Amino acid sequence: NAGVTQTPKFRVLKTGQSMTLLCAQDMNHEYMYWYRQDPGMGLRLIHYSVGEGTTAKGEVPDGYNVSRLKKQNFLLGLESAAPSQTSVYFCASRLETSTDTQYFGPGTRLTVL
Amino acid sequence: AQKVTQAQTEISVVEKEDVTLDCVYETRDTTYYLFWYKQPPSGELVFLIRRNSFDEQNEISGRYSWNFQKSTSSFNFTITASQVVDSAVYFCALSEGFNTNAGKSTFGDGTTLTVKP
Repeated sequence: NAGVTQTPKFRVLKTGQSMTLLCAQDMNHEYMYWYRQDPGMGLRLIHYSVGEGTTAKGEVPDGYNVSRLKKQNFLLGLESAAPSQTSVYFCASRLETSTDTQYFGPGTRLTVL
Repeated sequence: AQKVTQAQTEISVVEKEDVTLDCVYETRDTTYYLFWYKQPPSGELVFLIRRNSFDEQNEISGRYSWNFQKSTSSFNFTITASQVVDSAVYFCALSEGFNTNAGKSTFGDGTTLTVKP
């Protein structure tokens, strides 16, 4: 049982490049979330999903797209990376019930030059 | 809209001192959950505690204790006899409206705790 995993762990992009971050969970969780963490700040929600095939915008969705084609995977895409997207990205998942805790992945550190 | 405020940006203590991290929240919901997470220098997020809005009992877990007071919208975290390994960034978070809000969490900006030997 690996929990929540994120790929890659580190990445450096040039402005304008695109990339996809992969989040995978093996706990059969319905809810999945993508957050970003900037220096000196807490986590801010980018997008989330309440089940396979569904996605919704969070607090800071601009510049990102997501997909949840399979229940266990939640992909975060940057179509044209900008320096403002330099951040640490965390994925989380939660079982459906309201009493459940979010389980976080280890994070992906992204630098956009 | 929900909001979490951690007014203490940085705290520095000497080992064995007690330290309290403050968390004040805002929400319109009557049903909500409060969380504390620890983020050590390695960067991962470690879940510490979850408390629902109907349970105001204080909780103690080893050297950690939490004081939840709905009257002041606060959920403070105390570390007793701090140790160097407690040095980390601590985040308070709020989730509300699970049936309508997908359990989305709002995080405070974190408090960086440094425990010196």
